Parts: sequence; C-alpha cells; structure tokens
Amino acid sequence: GESVGLHLPTLSVQEGDNSIINCAYSNSASDYFIWYKQESGKGPQFIIDIRSNMDKRQGQRVTVLLNKTVKHLSLQIAATQPGDSAVYFCAEQSGNTPLVFGKGTRLSVIA
Amino acid sequence: DAGVTQSPTHLIKTRGQHVTLRCSPISGHKSVSWYQQVLGQGPQFIFQYYEKEERGRGNFPDRFSARQFPNYSSELNVNALLLGDSALYLCASSLDYYGYTFGSGTRLTVV
Repeated sequence: GESVGLHLPTLSVQEGDNSIINCAYSNSASDYFIWYKQESGKGPQFIIDIRSNMDKRQGQRVTVLLNKTVKHLSLQIAATQPGDSAVYFCAEQSGNTPLVFGKGTRLSVIA
Repeated sequence: DAGVTQSPTHLIKTRGQHVTLRCSPISGHKSVSWYQQVLGQGPQFIFQYYEKEERGRGNFPDRFSARQFPNYSSELNVNALLLGDSALYLCASSLDYYGYTFGSGTRLTVV
C-alpha cells in the first residue's frame, strides 16, 4: 500500500513495550479531542476521544491524557503490537466547528 | 452495515481537467465532510454539508465545490486541476457535528 506520511516524525518501539505519542494542539477553545489511526491506503480510524472536562480516558490498551494548561494531548498504547504500526493523528474540535487535524506521527513496531 | 463508501478509489487526470468524487455516508448520517490529505500531512478540511446545506468551508479556492443530495450522498467537484491537487480525498460522515467516520478515500493523481 501507499504510505500516507513519508516525512512524518517516527516513533520506533519494540513489540511488547508501551508507546507514547504526543500532540500539541493549537486552539485553546477546543473542547473535544480525538486520536485517529491511519494505515496505508485507508482513511483515519477512530481510536479514542476525550472531552475538555476530563484529563484522562482509558480504552482497551489505549489511554488518552489531556493537559489543557499547556495544550498537550498524548496517546499511550500498552503492549504495542505489530498491528499498531500506522500513522497516528490527533484532531480537535471547538463547539460546532469542523474537525482539525494535527501533523501526525508514524509508529513503527519492531518485532 | 456498510461504512462510508467513496468512489472511485483511484484516478488519474490531466492538468486543466475536471473531476467529480463521490461519497455515500453511513445509513442515518445526515452530515458529510470532505478533507484533502497531501502526502506527509494531516487531512485538511474542505467542506461540510448537513441536510443538503453547506455548513462550513475551508481555505480552498473556488475551483472546489460540493453538494449533498436528498439521500445524503455527496459529490466533490474540482475544476481546472493543478498538479498540487494531487492528494487523497477523504469523506467523513456523521450524525451531526461529532462522531466522524471516514471512508478509505479517493487517490487523485494530476499529471
């Protein structure tokens, strides 16, 4: 498949380790945040979301942390697997405005 | 239940030509949004439609236009194609402002 992000920052992790992907968002008025996973040749796939009245939310093997003071979002993936290899995007929304995407990070899992 | 479907999956056009991309949302979703994803970058917002009305427009030239039909499907039209229009065009459907589900996109190559 064709790569969606040839020049993105890359995070390489060993299979079984935990991964942390960071994102700085731009709009202090944003009140809804989402992490997406995008594999080659596919559209972005929802992973987990969080609203601005929370600072942490957990899913299955994933955790999102939100620090509104410094406008920072992170995605933690526990026990990273080869199938987690993809490009990860954070996205933000403010009220009824459209979804705005960040630059993305490529996660490469080393077996 | 079918997800968001986009057609065609790939196409090649010559500079100056016109192109129409199509999107069928998830059944029951009334909103469709279009995004352009250039290689190595995050998706950029182009248009959002809800109940056949344009609800938002990104920073794209007037060569880009879209519409939404009574069955909530949508078309994105691009006139006078430029080399820089080469990208993955993504369609997302949602019930309203939140909860976007993306299709796999149309890969447009302008030569």
